[in-house]
Amino acid sequence: QSALTQPASVSGSPGQSIAISCTGTSSDVGGSNHVSWYQQHPGKAPKLLLYDVTNRPSGVSDRFSGSKSGNTASLTISGLQAEDDADYYCSSYVSTTTLYVFGTGTKVTVL
Amino acid sequence: EVQLVESGGGLVQPGGSLRLSCAASGFTFNSQEMHWVRQAPGEGLEWLSYISEDGDIKKYADSIKGRFTTSRDNAKNSLFLQMDSLRDEDTAVYYCVKEGAQEYHFDYWGQGTLVTVSS
Repeated sequence: QSALTQPASVSGSPGQSIAISCTGTSSDVGGSNHVSWYQQHPGKAPKLLLYDVTNRPSGVSDRFSGSKSGNTASLTISGLQAEDDADYYCSSYVSTTTLYVFGTGTKVTVL
Repeated sequence: EVQLVESGGGLVQPGGSLRLSCAASGFTFNSQEMHWVRQAPGEGLEWLSYISEDGDIKKYADSIKGRFTTSRDNAKNSLFLQMDSLRDEDTAVYYCVKEGAQEYHFDYWGQGTLVTVSS
């Protein structure tokens, strides 16, 4: 099972909106509504941002939103803030012996 | 407050063994599915293993199948990862992870424990 493909880096100025793509195949992203997104600051554990493509856990800002079309899922960060400067990973449930696959990760830089 | 605290990491020689532990608190441990995820230095996340609430069902990534074994002790609210035949490429931070109640995602992560495989 190969890692999902994400852009290595995305940048934006405070207040702007950015989108991070997560591309897989019909065996993972395309065939599953169980796509989730995680934020990781340097030296810290990942934090859940979205699950089941669009659902936000309580406590997560509504500036984070998700969507999916075909084999590609996307995370949009609206109103970019300095604290959004971090790494972001997507993940998809895969109904095989390898249950989950992560994306390659995207470094978001707030200019 | 949910807490997951890993321990047991350290330096081990190639071919050696190590046992990681994860102490869970703040939730009903015996009702939650659990996972291990690792992150090599400067790299991305890699899912490693799953264990069901009662420990009867276990799943593993191909990269560790036959070498690593996950288990749990619900009486002690603890999750374990027995790692044998360690290789250089197993060097990583290992995270204990709780599956969300709605399933198919990871809602709480431990702080991680570093395993370094080197001679």
